[in-house]
Formats: sequence, structure tokens, C-alpha cells
Amino acid sequence: QVQLQESGPGLVKPSETLSLTCTVSGGSVTSSSYYWSWVRQPPGKGLEWIGHIYFNGNTNYNPSLKNQVTISIDTSTNQFSLKVTSVTAADTAIYYCARALRKGSVSSPDYWGQGTLVTVSS
Amino acid sequence: QTVVTQEPSLTVSPGGTVTLTCASTTGAVTSGFYPNWFQQKPGQAPRALIYSTSNKYSWTPARFSGSLLGGKATLTLSGVQPEDEADYYCLLYYGGAQVFGGGTRLTVL
Repeated sequence: QVQLQESGPGLVKPSETLSLTCTVSGGSVTSSSYYWSWVRQPPGKGLEWIGHIYFNGNTNYNPSLKNQVTISIDTSTNQFSLKVTSVTAADTAIYYCARALRKGSVSSPDYWGQGTLVTVSS
Repeated sequence: QTVVTQEPSLTVSPGGTVTLTCASTTGAVTSGFYPNWFQQKPGQAPRALIYSTSNKYSWTPARFSGSLLGGKATLTLSGVQPEDEADYYCLLYYGGAQVFGGGTRLTVL
């Protein structure tokens, strides 16, 4: 059974870059059947889809975040990553990584990591 | 800006049936929006329930079902159990990007 684990700093200063990594076990990020996704949730609020990446590096992003985020993949380590630049307090959230069933450009997140809280504060 | 709307809250009695809906400000939700449904309990990661309108995962309880009705995606719980009390989110596809609904808090009372 696939498992995902987020890792990265829990505290980031305003205007800096937030960087998170998702380590995948029990499955391969090179599988042609899946996308690898990021979703976030501000404390006490709803879910926000950030984007996803395919093993060949193709990405889709939330248009409202497109200029701020980058998702990358490292097939040699079976990991994928998220970078959010120029963060503000509005980027404070629990960040989840997830595997997603792929159908064309549609992704359906099925397995999720436990999430990691990132706080933006000086 | 595309907005996906869900009922903010619903209450159902144990053993009852409840239908949650998911609507789009762009118009009727069709199968081409590939609706997904997720359940989230406090302090936990979301759990996938339904994909592509009505497809269940191996772990999805039989009492959960997804469909389209009246221009919306729906999630119906039949024979509600106390453990179904949770937040429920839908996710719709918009040609490359995807958008979550605001979520429905389901209370079993």
C-alpha cells in the first residue's frame, strides 16, 4: 500500500520561500497511472488544490497560485516537491501531498499524506 | 473566478438518508467535471470516497454513493452512522485546474 510523507520546515518568514518534500513509499512516482499532487488547508478552513505533476515533469497548477508555486519531481529518490515563493501569512496552512489517479489531465487524489503545518511568521 | 458551492452544514439522524450537493458558478455540473468527494474528520487528512461522479474506492462504505442531479454533483449517504459525522468536500475539474468546494459539515444527531 502506498504511503506518502511530507517533510520540511514548520516555520517560514514572510517574503521567503516555503519548500516541502513528499516521500513516496510502497509505490513509484514513475508510474504512468498517477499524478502527484499538493493540497493545502488554512487552519479552520477548507481545502485548496495547489497542483499536480506527472513523472515526466508535466504540471498543472491552480491559476490563482500559478505565479507563486512550483512542483517538481525526483524519480531517483521517489520524491516530489513544492516551492511557494514570497510567502505571506495567507500561506499558513496544513500542506498535504497526495497520489492521484490519472485520466487525461484529470487527477483524483486517492492516497494522502498526514499533512504538515507550515506557519508563516517573523 | 470559479467558485464551487456546497451546503455549509447539514444535520441527519442516525439511520437516515442525506444528500450533499456540489454546484459550480460556471453552470451545470456534468460528468465532464469528474466530481470527486472526500471525507475529513477533525485532525485527520482527507479520505477519498468517490471519483469521476460515482466510482467508489475499495474502502468506500456501500452506504455512500455519488451521482448527478439537477445540474449538481451529489453525494448520498443512506443509513447514516454516527461515524459519518465529518466535513465533506467535492472537487471539480476545469480543464487542467481543479477546484474544491467550500465543504459541508455533516452532523449526525
